[in-house]
Amino acid sequence: RKEVEQDPGPFNVPEGATVAFNCTYSNSASQSFFWYRQDCRKEPKLLMSVYSSGNEDGRFTAQLNRASQYISLLIRDSKLSDSATYLCVVNRRNTGFQKLVFGTGTRLLVSP
Amino acid sequence: NAGVTQTPKFQVLKTGQSMTLQCAQDMNHEYMSWYRQDPGMGLRLIHYSVGAGITDQGEVPNGYNVSRSTTEDFPLRLLSAAPSQTSVYFCASSYSKDEQFFGPGTRLTVL
Repeated sequence: RKEVEQDPGPFNVPEGATVAFNCTYSNSASQSFFWYRQDCRKEPKLLMSVYSSGNEDGRFTAQLNRASQYISLLIRDSKLSDSATYLCVVNRRNTGFQKLVFGTGTRLLVSP
Repeated sequence: NAGVTQTPKFQVLKTGQSMTLQCAQDMNHEYMSWYRQDPGMGLRLIHYSVGAGITDQGEVPNGYNVSRSTTEDFPLRLLSAAPSQTSVYFCASSYSKDEQFFGPGTRLTVL
């Protein structure tokens, strides 16, 4: 079993739709959680960190459920520019160098 | 700031050849790392460094060497290229536990 698992998709949604991705992690010692975004043939870029209390950044909302060991990302009012692969990332340590464990990503396609 | 730069962007090698992938950052970050990305596998850590002169192995270090003589540079050496090393290689840097910044990647094909 992979340490971080995601549905690869693709999720095909129309502009303006709300879409949610889930990610599960197997290591209960994981301390920090992130969503990275990766455009086709580009490098990953941090979208947002995920906090225990949940957090929101504009149209994006991230939630963490430690008891069930899953992380979610909700995108409201989808834009064409949201089309990308979303990587779920966990880190076992809360200090020092981050040894990040990456999921394989969920692909989102937003159509007009 | 240029951020994290990587050269070359593309490279084709024959089995057994050696080469060095270059990585540089101008953000004065302590931490630098190398990942490879393969379809269906996610990014996997090859080697990392927590400062000049200090390196350590990641998840998939075999066949690769690194050194960190300066804060800015963190080259990755392939000792004897194999087809299994065909991949996209990303270098990243970070300051402590904050956001990792990735370079644009090097697409390597080993024939």
